[in-house]
Amino acid sequence: GIQVEQSPPDLILQEGANSTLRCNFSDSVNNLQWFHQNPWGQLINLFYIPSGTKQNGRLSATTVATERYSLLYISSSQTTDSGVYFCAVGLTGTASKLTFGTGTRLQVTL
Amino acid sequence: DAGVTQSPTHLIKTRGQHVTLRCSPISGHKSVSWYQQVLGQGPQFIFQYYEKEERGRGNFPDRFSARQFPNYSSELNVNALLLGDSALYLCASSSRQGANQPQHFGDGTRLSIL
Repeated sequence: GIQVEQSPPDLILQEGANSTLRCNFSDSVNNLQWFHQNPWGQLINLFYIPSGTKQNGRLSATTVATERYSLLYISSSQTTDSGVYFCAVGLTGTASKLTFGTGTRLQVTL
Repeated sequence: DAGVTQSPTHLIKTRGQHVTLRCSPISGHKSVSWYQQVLGQGPQFIFQYYEKEERGRGNFPDRFSARQFPNYSSELNVNALLLGDSALYLCASSSRQGANQPQHFGDGTRLSIL
């Protein structure tokens, strides 16, 4: 099956710092989503981005489908950004199945 | 508009029992998928239902089953519970069939097996 790897696995930032999270995947995909799972377990949809670039406030994402990677940028981080960030991919011709990556655990400190 | 709703939020069962978890999709969404997330890992796909038919199944034993109702809500059933079934169970909905549809997740049901 498809492999989805995220880096770094863990990240500690001071409030106000910027960061880049990376997601590599091993096959062609027609769905890529970034999620934030907060400490209470809620999985929040950040971006649906199978290709191209999108921005939403302090967050932006870029997917280069031909090179099989996606990047999530977090600028001016806040303590509420803490949690686990997952990328998840869907393959062409399959059911509505997402394969999740290994996750990046982010802690933002004061 | 309400998002994906799941019930109950928490549940405690003992080994050998069975459990039913419920999910209501976003209004207008016809596809429902179920995922299992054990502690420290990403969610794993269990089932997808679209128009009341099973459209995809992950690598889970036959103790896991699901169904979708005419109003597009769904139930996940797990029989003969094992300690390893302790997890957060997440439901996701999308408007249409297909892997290229954005998935929207509920808050999950946290299941603990004693």
